[in-house]
Amino acid sequence: EAGVAQSPRYKIIEKRQSVAFWCNPISGHATLYWYQQILGQGPKLLIQFQNNGVVDDSQLPKDRFSAERLKGVDSTLKIQPAKLEDSAVYLCASSPRGGSSNTGELFFGEGSRLTVL
Amino acid sequence: SQKIEQNSEALNIQEGKTATLTCNYTNYSPAYLQWYRQDPGRGPVFLLLIRENEKEKRKERLKVTFDTTLKQSLFHITASQPADSATYLCALDNYGQNFVFGPGTRLSVLP
Repeated sequence: EAGVAQSPRYKIIEKRQSVAFWCNPISGHATLYWYQQILGQGPKLLIQFQNNGVVDDSQLPKDRFSAERLKGVDSTLKIQPAKLEDSAVYLCASSPRGGSSNTGELFFGEGSRLTVL
Repeated sequence: SQKIEQNSEALNIQEGKTATLTCNYTNYSPAYLQWYRQDPGRGPVFLLLIRENEKEKRKERLKVTFDTTLKQSLFHITASQPADSATYLCALDNYGQNFVFGPGTRLSVLP
């Protein structure tokens, strides 16, 4: 079974530029998550999708971050304009069903490392 | 305010010993708690899940306990090996919607 695919693995941009990350979850997984992981910290949830609807985006900085999940499969996360503090690894995860009450483990991709100069 | 703490940032132990990692939380009432392993440059990998009504869960050399009174989970690796060196993350059920991660503990098992 193919895992969660993410691209690009690495991206370096100047502040105020824009960047987009792509995620292809495991086939058939209804729930998709984007997490931000700053060096030395645990992953922080940015947005959670159930199929193509948003379940939780309470911690997404909506003035600069946006995300969509087309047709309930692939997802893109965009940052525009980027700030220095956005330097982090952006992790995409998927799970078969929605919500933690399903006790579903999260399957993570390898992440996209962003450096903002 | 809500908080998740994992013992020390880094833990060094000798090969063959038991590693014990702690996860303490404040102002959460998780029905489930998960533990993940993360290697440098990789995404976290699921290890174990424990429910609030389970005191203990085991998987091979791994053991997790969950004490809802103390608001604490302990993660044990017995007969530790250098290959167990990684960062270990606990994740708490967030009101049945998603999981919130702790900061992680970096474990180094010395040969």
